[in-house]
Amino acid sequence: EVQLLESGGGLVQPGGSLRLSCAASGFTFSYSTMSWVRQAPGKGLEWVSGFSGNGLSTFYVDSVKGRFTISRDNSMNTLYLQMNSLRAEDTAVYYCVKDWQAGDWGQGTLVTVSS
Amino acid sequence: DVVMTQSPLSLPVTLGQPASISCRSSQSLVYSDGNTYLNWFQQRPGQSPRRLIYKVSNRDSGVPDRFSGSGSGTDFTLIISRVEAEDVGVYYCMQGTHWPRTFGQGTKVEIK
Repeated sequence: EVQLLESGGGLVQPGGSLRLSCAASGFTFSYSTMSWVRQAPGKGLEWVSGFSGNGLSTFYVDSVKGRFTISRDNSMNTLYLQMNSLRAEDTAVYYCVKDWQAGDWGQGTLVTVSS
Repeated sequence: DVVMTQSPLSLPVTLGQPASISCRSSQSLVYSDGNTYLNWFQQRPGQSPRRLIYKVSNRDSGVPDRFSGSGSGTDFTLIISRVEAEDVGVYYCMQGTHWPRTFGQGTKVEIK
């Protein structure tokens, strides 16, 4: 059974940083493309970033380019999202998602950017 | 970016009756491999999204057969043949052909 467990969310001031983690199990992580999708409170879904299984390709939505960095540690079966220069509009639940077609989702971790 | 437009945004339905949600994309979703990567998701209140349908019409494991997807090119439809109480929630379409991936605004299904 695929399991994705996010952690690292919390309250941070505007301009601050956070690193999210996603611990994966139940599948061959190193072969899998992985992504982050977020959902602002009461709003819809937004694809934030993706990382290919072979590490050759990364993708970002324009609103986070230059501020967020996706990475992975295949030896630890863990996906990361380093978020810098955070803004109020980055406040959202961040979901870890497996494969380019979002076949499996974690339970999410809440990031709140506020002073 | 590819814009995904869903309609309606709110859908009150009677238990046991059908429900239909439309999703249109601003560009063709046919990928170079010949596949059309249009997916449907259900998000029940307080839960993470769950994929129901992938590549237009393929049901994910465990998804009841009252859910079906159809369409091609830029026009797609999700149909619930007979709505049950557990189907209440928000439904999203998502295109998986172009970068960045994009979602529709969501359609809230509720019981009349």
